[in-house]
Amino acid sequence: EDQVTQSPEALRLQEGESSSLNCSYTVSGLRGLFWYRQDPGKGPEFLFTLYSAGEEKEKERLKATLTKKESFLHITAPKPEDSATYLCAVQAEDYKLSFGAGTTVTVRA
Amino acid sequence: EAQVTQNPRYLITVTGKKLTVTCSQNMNHEYMSWYRQDPGLGLRQIYYSMNVEVTDKGDVPEGYKVSRKEKRNFPLILESPSPNQTSLYFCASSFLGSTNEKLFFGSGTQLSVL
Repeated sequence: EDQVTQSPEALRLQEGESSSLNCSYTVSGLRGLFWYRQDPGKGPEFLFTLYSAGEEKEKERLKATLTKKESFLHITAPKPEDSATYLCAVQAEDYKLSFGAGTTVTVRA
Repeated sequence: EAQVTQNPRYLITVTGKKLTVTCSQNMNHEYMSWYRQDPGLGLRQIYYSMNVEVTDKGDVPEGYKVSRKEKRNFPLILESPSPNQTSLYFCASSFLGSTNEKLFFGSGTQLSVL
């Protein structure tokens, strides 16, 4: 059974304090690993797709990396507007998608 | 505007009363799927569809039905809702293919079954 585990569950940061979120996974035939951002009361919003080990993607203060067992989402010099829940998901070769429970990030000014 | 539209946004019903949550996308996406989101459990996939007339079970399909008669629509049907189906539901869609698989999500449907 495909599994996705995100850690930590919650992360409180001071503005400008860089940190990383972890997503470890087991999947039968990885088609892709996805990162999403979810604000309260809204649907998740796409951030990145990673397809193979060693791949990296960047967007503003966010950088996602992928190994064979896990992915990291690095937040560099975060701002209060980066506060959200970050979701990791893996898609198996049969297109079935499994999400982790998410990491809730709070950035204080 | 490219979007996934779910209706209704909020729904309160009673046990056993059949209901349908509609989902429509205007991006000509092949792939559509339904999720439920519960505190501490994250998003769990209910059903997904890779094209018209093709549907498959996700992780938690029990108590739900879907159909994909048209490419743009993917309704979620609860034939006999029970209180354990109280949850926040999301519909999502995407293209299929290695460079276009990012999911677009609807705004969600908060369902309460009394």
